[in-house]
Amino acid sequence: KNEVEQSPQNLTAQEGEFITINCSYSVGISALHWLQQHPGGGIVSLFMLSSGKKKHGRLIATINIQEKHSSLHITASHPRDSAVYICAVFASGSRLTFGEGTQLTVNP
Amino acid sequence: DTAVSQTPKYLVTQMGNDKSIKCEQNLGHDTMYWYKQDSKKFLKIMFSYNNKELIINETVPNRFSPKSPDKAHLNLHINSLELGDSAVYFCASSQGRSWETQYFGPGTRLLVL
Repeated sequence: KNEVEQSPQNLTAQEGEFITINCSYSVGISALHWLQQHPGGGIVSLFMLSSGKKKHGRLIATINIQEKHSSLHITASHPRDSAVYICAVFASGSRLTFGEGTQLTVNP
Repeated sequence: DTAVSQTPKYLVTQMGNDKSIKCEQNLGHDTMYWYKQDSKKFLKIMFSYNNKELIINETVPNRFSPKSPDKAHLNLHINSLELGDSAVYFCASSQGRSWETQYFGPGTRLLVL
C-alpha cells in the first residue's frame, strides 16, 4: 500500500461544477505539496501546505494534520482545469513521496 | 526566460549506451532534484542536491550518477541504458530544502530501444 493515497483516480465533471480531490497519507510529514501536470506533460506547483488552508484564484487547498488528510478544491471548474493533480508529502528526513495522481477531465 | 530548463527534450537511444541529461535553473535556488515518471505516470524522486551536496539518494541503480558542477546545474548521467530506464525524467529546483515550493523543468522523454 502506497504511503500516499489519492481519490478518486479519475474524475469527470461538467464545466462549472465544484470539484474535490482527496489525499490521505500514513506517515508523519513536514509539508504537503499539490502539483498539476498538464496534458502536454509539464508540471506546475500549485500549493505547499503545512497547516490550514490556502487559496489561489479558483483553487483551494486544505490540510488536516491530525487526520493526515488534504483536499484540493476547484470552484467553477473549466475545461482548461483538465489535468492530472498530484499530491506529494515531505516526510521526515526530507523524503518525498507522491500519490498516483487524479486524472481530472472537465467537459464543456 | 525559462526558469528550469532541461536538455534534450527527447532522447531515443539503444540499450547499453551511455547518455546524459542536463538541467539548469536561473532562479538562484539552492536545491535541485531529479525525478523519474514511469509509464503509469507515477513520479518518484531519484536524487536531490543542496548547494552541490547530495542530500537525497533514493534506491536508484548505480548506473545513474548525478553531477552538480555548480548550484545552478544538476546533470544526470546514465550508464549502460536498459529498456526499463525508458521514462520521463524531470528536473526541479527549490529555494531551501524539499519542503519549499518546487519548480519543475519540462521533462526529458527517454526511450531505450
